[in-house]
Amino acid sequence: AQSVTQPDIHITVSEGASLELRCNYSYGATPYLFWYVQSPGQGLQLLLKYFSGDTLVQGIKGFEAEFKRSQSSFNLRKPSVHWSDAAEYFCAVGAGSNFGNEKLTFGTGTRLTIIP
Amino acid sequence: NAGVTQTPKFQVLKTGQSMTLQCAQDMNHNSMYWYRQDPGMGLRLIYYSASEGTTDKGEVPNGYNVSRLNKREFSLRLESAAPSQTSVYFCASSIMGGAGYGYTFGSGTRLTVV
Repeated sequence: AQSVTQPDIHITVSEGASLELRCNYSYGATPYLFWYVQSPGQGLQLLLKYFSGDTLVQGIKGFEAEFKRSQSSFNLRKPSVHWSDAAEYFCAVGAGSNFGNEKLTFGTGTRLTIIP
Repeated sequence: NAGVTQTPKFQVLKTGQSMTLQCAQDMNHNSMYWYRQDPGMGLRLIYYSASEGTTDKGEVPNGYNVSRLNKREFSLRLESAAPSQTSVYFCASSIMGGAGYGYTFGSGTRLTVV
């Protein structure tokens, strides 16, 4: 079964600084990988996804993530954070197939705080 | 385009009461899911419906039942609410079964059981 680990429960960064959120997954084959963002009191919004091909994927709001198979990682990055990026971020992994009942497995989330 | 709509947004129940959480999507998606979100535990799958007419248990199904009423609607029922079911509940949908398409989420129902 697949699993996801987000090692950082809470990260604080200064506005304008760079950001990297860590995600490690466990899955025996090629995974589908996702990052979602949740603003307070809201549902989850898809930031970006990796299926195959280029290991560096671009998403919305200036985010990008890099798939590293050798490290089983899919870390999320942003060169310069804005106060509006304060939210909770979830990494998710799915089976590399679109047949049957494969489902997404979510990490426990990383809460991002932005300080002026 | 509303996407995934959940009702109600907030609810307080007394222990032992029952209620149904409603979810509807207007994207012609085949698959629908119910998750609960608890602090430090991320999202855990309660039940899902890969297609109209089918439902299956997820990771934490005890104390819940579901109904896939039609292609658009997927409801979650708590027959006898317990304080352990205090949580935020999210409904999600996907074009079809399988993880490759990602999910679209509703805005959630915050449930408190006292």
